[in-house]
Amino acid sequence: EPEVTQTPSHQVTQMGQEVILRCVPISNHLYFYWYRQILGQKVEFLVSFYNNEISEKSEIFDDQFSVERPDGSNFTLKIRSTKLEDSAMYFCASRARDRGISYEQYFGPGTRLTVT
Amino acid sequence: DQQVKQNSPSLSVQEGRISILNCDYTNSMFDYFLWYKKYPAEGPTFLISISSIKDKNEDGRFTVFLNKSAKHLSLHIVPSQPGDSAVYFCAASPGTSYDKVIFGPGTSLSVIP
Repeated sequence: EPEVTQTPSHQVTQMGQEVILRCVPISNHLYFYWYRQILGQKVEFLVSFYNNEISEKSEIFDDQFSVERPDGSNFTLKIRSTKLEDSAMYFCASRARDRGISYEQYFGPGTRLTVT
Repeated sequence: DQQVKQNSPSLSVQEGRISILNCDYTNSMFDYFLWYKKYPAEGPTFLISISSIKDKNEDGRFTVFLNKSAKHLSLHIVPSQPGDSAVYFCAASPGTSYDKVIFGPGTSLSVIP
């Protein structure tokens, strides 16, 4: 069964450093997403990406964040200058083209980002 | 910002019985609702969804009920199995953007053998 994959599973970085989180969405999916979950809190929407551009973003997704689909398979989230409060689990998700009234997203296993 | 609420942080149910997980929402613009299940150290797994044009959707042991006037939905799992033990997230999207999914805080379900 096709699945979303994410690398690395755990990333440790120092405050102020740039970090890139990588995702390989399901191959025939067209819509791509990043979410985060700070420990003990709820899953929060960050950004959605379709047709090579951002379609939606939340208030969390400020200028420190960027997304890119550099080739036909990868989808990346870059944090330019990490802060302690960026420590969280980051989930990538994807979904197929619109199918009637079905819009479910499929999530990867997550990357745990620890900023020290 | 508590647009999607799950007021029960945890729930314990005996194996074979019905599990009922509840969810309330405040944003009247929401018109598509989803339930996800999450095991520790894994990403959320899609379970079932419902559009606001329906009041019930069923998939095997899982049924979601939507009461739009009360802004309330529930997930029924019948019969409950030990493998159902996980955190269950209710989520919602506004009709203007199915890309933006707002999650509730989750309910931890324990199914006791």
